[in-house]
Amino acid sequence: EAQVTQNPRYLITVTGKKLTVTCSQNMNHEYMSWYRQDPGLGLRQIYYSMNVEVTDKGDVPEGYKVSRKEKRNFPLILESPSPNQTSLYFCASSLGGGPRNEQFFGPGTRLTVL
Amino acid sequence: ILNVEQSPQSLHVQEGDSTNFTCSFPSSNFYALHWYRWETAKSPEALFVMTLNGDEKKKGRISATLNTKEGYSYLYIKGSQPEDSATYLCAFIPGTASKLTFGTGTRLQVTL
Repeated sequence: EAQVTQNPRYLITVTGKKLTVTCSQNMNHEYMSWYRQDPGLGLRQIYYSMNVEVTDKGDVPEGYKVSRKEKRNFPLILESPSPNQTSLYFCASSLGGGPRNEQFFGPGTRLTVL
Repeated sequence: ILNVEQSPQSLHVQEGDSTNFTCSFPSSNFYALHWYRWETAKSPEALFVMTLNGDEKKKGRISATLNTKEGYSYLYIKGSQPEDSATYLCAFIPGTASKLTFGTGTRLQVTL
């Protein structure tokens, strides 16, 4: 089944404790992206990757890191999480040529930072 | 950060009503516009990808139009059903074709 998977789905952590949210897609998509969803603010793009080893900042990259060592995986790293990073996170992927094609979203990761 | 606005923020209609919402985006440097449907406790799913001025797309009872020169897109739902209840998002892709900017969405509730 074609899908985007994220792990964990739910996470409660404390300020400053490094964490990684994994994202994997099995559709051979070139473009991958991370978003956060906060009430009243809509989906905001954190980082995106046009292809392997090519990543760039979205609109809200502060406090996050990403890597794209393989085509299928695009982990989101929070080196020192803070309470303002409490949010619902989505990973998404699409066919090549940037984001012009429809985005396929993962199931979401709800993160709480205490 | 680009300004992508959706209106209304929320809408409550009865079964059988037809409705429409608006997505406004910068009229310069346009590349593409997406519409997504987002049901509660699920992930957003694509409805339409629109790239050309004057585009009209249709999927069942849902259709969309695009005006890139004036910077807006309309989403129409004909004969709303309770299963249409969801948040409808638009996403603007500028000419650089690398980033998406989402609107805050229109939340539709359809009651019997």
